[in-house]
Amino acid sequence: QVQLQESGPGLVKPSETLSLTCTVSGGSINSYYWNWIRQPAGKGLEWIGRIYASGSTNYNPSLESRVTMSVDTSKKQFSLKLTSVTAADTAVYFCARMISLAGTVWFDPWGQGTLVTVSS
Amino acid sequence: DIQMTQSPSSLSASVGDRVTITCRASQSISSYLNWYQQKPGKAPKLLIYSASSLQSGVPSRFSGSGSGTDFTLTISSLQPEDFATYYCQQSYSLPMNTFGQGTKVEIK
Repeated sequence: QVQLQESGPGLVKPSETLSLTCTVSGGSINSYYWNWIRQPAGKGLEWIGRIYASGSTNYNPSLESRVTMSVDTSKKQFSLKLTSVTAADTAVYFCARMISLAGTVWFDPWGQGTLVTVSS
Repeated sequence: DIQMTQSPSSLSASVGDRVTITCRASQSISSYLNWYQQKPGKAPKLLIYSASSLQSGVPSRFSGSGSGTDFTLTISSLQPEDFATYYCQQSYSLPMNTFGQGTKVEIK
């Protein structure tokens, strides 16, 4: 079955850029939306954005000015860049596939998550 | 933006109890509502999609109901492995997705 694995630095300095990659295995990267979702420690889930295999993107308006997503279908990877980070961006970052059926969507599966800490 | 409000924020229950968690949307979202279970240190796992459809492999003690603005997740007989945090998620206002704040189910 499809599995997702996040990778990237676990520590980023304030004002710098957070960069993460999600690798898809066990299935196709085509014909799906691929998402980033984050969760600060002890808090709820926040959708960051999504990218289609074609490269089309949608972002959470609250983060849109700082977020860029990209996809490399040949490597079966998609990536997240978040600029000008602050301590408020410290969170576990998950990647997830979006499934669409009859007009509704849900996230399945998810990667295991990777903790990114913003600190000098 | 559509806001999702779960209640209660936490609850204590015993093995075998019937547990109900509520999720309310700030406007009608038809049946575009999903439920997830998250255990500590793990990623969320899909339980219910489209308000009432059970994801493959999820035990039948889990059920979902509702439409419009009010939804419920019911665990008919709580098992030890069900102690976790549960989140609802609306997908009505695509591409934006929003989650409820979570309901933590703890052992009494």
